Amino acid sequence: GEDVEQSLFLSVREGDSSVINCTYTDSSSTYLYWYKQEPGAGLQLLTYIFSNMDMKQDQRLTVLLNKKDKHLSLRIADTQTGDSAIYFCAGASDSNYQLIWGAGTKLIIKP
Amino acid sequence: DVKVTQSSRYLVKRTGEKVFLECVQDMDHENMFWYRQDPGLGLRLIYFSYDVKMKEKGDIPEGYSVSREKKERFSLILESASTNQTSMYLCASSLSYSGTGSNSNQPQHFGDGTRLSIL
Repeated sequence: GEDVEQSLFLSVREGDSSVINCTYTDSSSTYLYWYKQEPGAGLQLLTYIFSNMDMKQDQRLTVLLNKKDKHLSLRIADTQTGDSAIYFCAGASDSNYQLIWGAGTKLIIKP
Repeated sequence: DVKVTQSSRYLVKRTGEKVFLECVQDMDHENMFWYRQDPGLGLRLIYFSYDVKMKEKGDIPEGYSVSREKKERFSLILESASTNQTSMYLCASSLSYSGTGSNSNQPQHFGDGTRLSIL
């Protein structure tokens, strides 16, 4: 079935760039999403990319999509302590209402 | 902004109790979802609803039921709570899209979650 995979942890130094990676198997995914979950809170939509794009930039966030390799990444420039959270990628397809979720990557910021 | 409100942030119940978790959205979204989130397991879909009085099982419906009597409200019911249902419960809503391709953007919007403990 459809699957979305992410590594569970990423540790970066404050001020460096963070790159969170995601691979997916459903080639019909039209939109791919990045969500952020701070401790004890719900999920907040960060950004999304449509499958006919290969890059989207929004302030410190850059999303890269490689459709051939089914690889999605989220780059956070100048990582700050407030970026410490779990980041989920999720894919949607034309065929149903659901999103397919990765397990989430916990971003740990070192001082 | 979309507002999804879950009735409780924290809830403690006893084994065997019937538990109701309520979720309300204010954006006239057709679709509503209940997930549970456990460490290392990500989000798992329990049930979803694409219209009033309509419901579909997700990946882990056992031990749960849902109710959607009004478009804005989606309730999750634990018929007889058990300790393995201790978890974080997240409600979400989304629009139904009417087209394909670039018209199919359907992000889900989440509430703040309910941390449920069953003793």
